[in-house]
Amino acid sequence: EVQLLESGGGLVQPGGSLRLSCAASGFTFSSYAMTWVRQAPGKGLEWVSAVSDSGGDTKYTDSVKGRFTISRDNSKNTLYLQMNSLRAEDTAVYYCARDYACDSWGQGTLVTVSS
Amino acid sequence: QSVLTQPPSASGTPGQRVTISCSGSSSNIGSNTVNWYQQLPGTAPKLLIYFNNQRPSGVPDRFSGSKSGTSASLAISGLQSEDEADYYCAVWDDSLNEGVFGGGTKLTVL
Repeated sequence: EVQLLESGGGLVQPGGSLRLSCAASGFTFSSYAMTWVRQAPGKGLEWVSAVSDSGGDTKYTDSVKGRFTISRDNSKNTLYLQMNSLRAEDTAVYYCARDYACDSWGQGTLVTVSS
Repeated sequence: QSVLTQPPSASGTPGQRVTISCSGSSSNIGSNTVNWYQQLPGTAPKLLIYFNNQRPSGVPDRFSGSKSGTSASLAISGLQSEDEADYYCAVWDDSLNEGVFGGGTKLTVL
C-alpha cells in the first residue's frame, strides 16, 4: 500500500523558513516523480512544485520560484520542500503526492505564516 | 483566477446524473491529458480519473471522464449521498510549464 507521510509544518513568522518532509513507503520511490500541492484555508488546490524521479528536473509555480526548493533523497525514500522568505499567502495545508499525476496523496501538513 | 474554469457548485438528487465541466486552452487541456480528483470533507484529495477517462482501481464505474478540444467533463451517474465532495480537474500547462488545477466544484446531493 502506498503511504505518504508529511511532516515539518508549523507556525512561522513572515520572512522565516521551514523544511517540509514527505516519507514514502509501499512503492519504489526512486521510480516516481513527486509533487507538492497546497491548499489555503477554505480554498482550492494549488500546484506548487514537482521533481523528476532522479531529482535532476524540478518545476515550480511562479509565486514560489526563488523562495522554495524541492529535493529528494532516494536512499531515504523522502521528498523535501525547503521554504524560505515565507509570506502570509503561503499559509496552507501542504500535500505531497506521487507522480506528476498525483495518483496518491499524503494527509498533509499545515503551514501557518503569521506574526 | 485559475487557468482552468470549473463551475463553483453543482447539485443533484440521489440517482441522478450530474456533469462537471472544466474549460481550459490549447496550452493545457488542448495539449495534455486531464485528471480529476475528489476531495471529501476534511480529507486529502483522491485521484478519480486519469488520462482523460481512465479510472484507478477501486473507483466505481459511476464516475467517467471525457475530453473534447480545450474542455473536459466529469460525469457522475446514479448519484449517491457519499458523492458529496469537492471535485477538481488538473492538467499540465505547456505555456506556464507547471501543473494547474481548476478552481474546484462543490457537489451537493440534495
